[in-house]
Amino acid sequence: GQQVMQIPQYQHVQEGEDFTTYCNSSTTLSNIQWYKQRPGGHPVFLIQLVKSGEVKKQKRLTFQFGEAKKNSSLHITATQTTDVGTYFCAGGGQAGTALIFGKGTTLSVSS
Amino acid sequence: NAGVMQNPRHLVRRRGQEARLRCSPVKGHSHVYWYRQLPEEGLKFMVYLQKENIIDESGMPKERFSAEFPKEGPSILRIQQVVRGDSAAYFCASSPGQGQVHYFGSGTRLTVV
Repeated sequence: GQQVMQIPQYQHVQEGEDFTTYCNSSTTLSNIQWYKQRPGGHPVFLIQLVKSGEVKKQKRLTFQFGEAKKNSSLHITATQTTDVGTYFCAGGGQAGTALIFGKGTTLSVSS
Repeated sequence: NAGVMQNPRHLVRRRGQEARLRCSPVKGHSHVYWYRQLPEEGLKFMVYLQKENIIDESGMPKERFSAEFPKEGPSILRIQQVVRGDSAAYFCASSPGQGQVHYFGSGTRLTVV
């Protein structure tokens, strides 16, 4: 079945350093979505990418969707302590199927 | 604009009891999804429902677990004869259409003692 792999599982950075998480699907995706879950909280939608090669930015966050629509990345520039949490990618596949979530990358930031 | 409402937030059950988790989707959303999350683990898909129909239940255990989304009222995830291994956070999400942005509820933390 369709799988979405996400790496790394954990990442610790010093405040001000950059951070990147990668997402890879075993099949071509119709779209990719990114979510953030703060410790003790629930996942919150960040962004959706639909087009091949698409790049979107939200302040210090940059999201990319690969040309083959099978991989994606989230890059955070100059991390802050407020960036702490788990970042999930979720791939949309065939019609009639639910999103498939990656296992997430948990980011910790020390000041 | 109320988001996805889940209740209860915390639920404690003894082994062998039944657990009922409720989820009211965003108004106007007809697609509901249930996910399970163990501590420091990802979101494991359980079931996808669209008003009165189960679209995909491939992630839900065949025994003891059931879900419904009636024409009126919230979606219900029901776990019969709970065991300690059922202890987890259960999140519900809704979307306006299939595969579209998920709006998550705050989850129900189930503890089986």
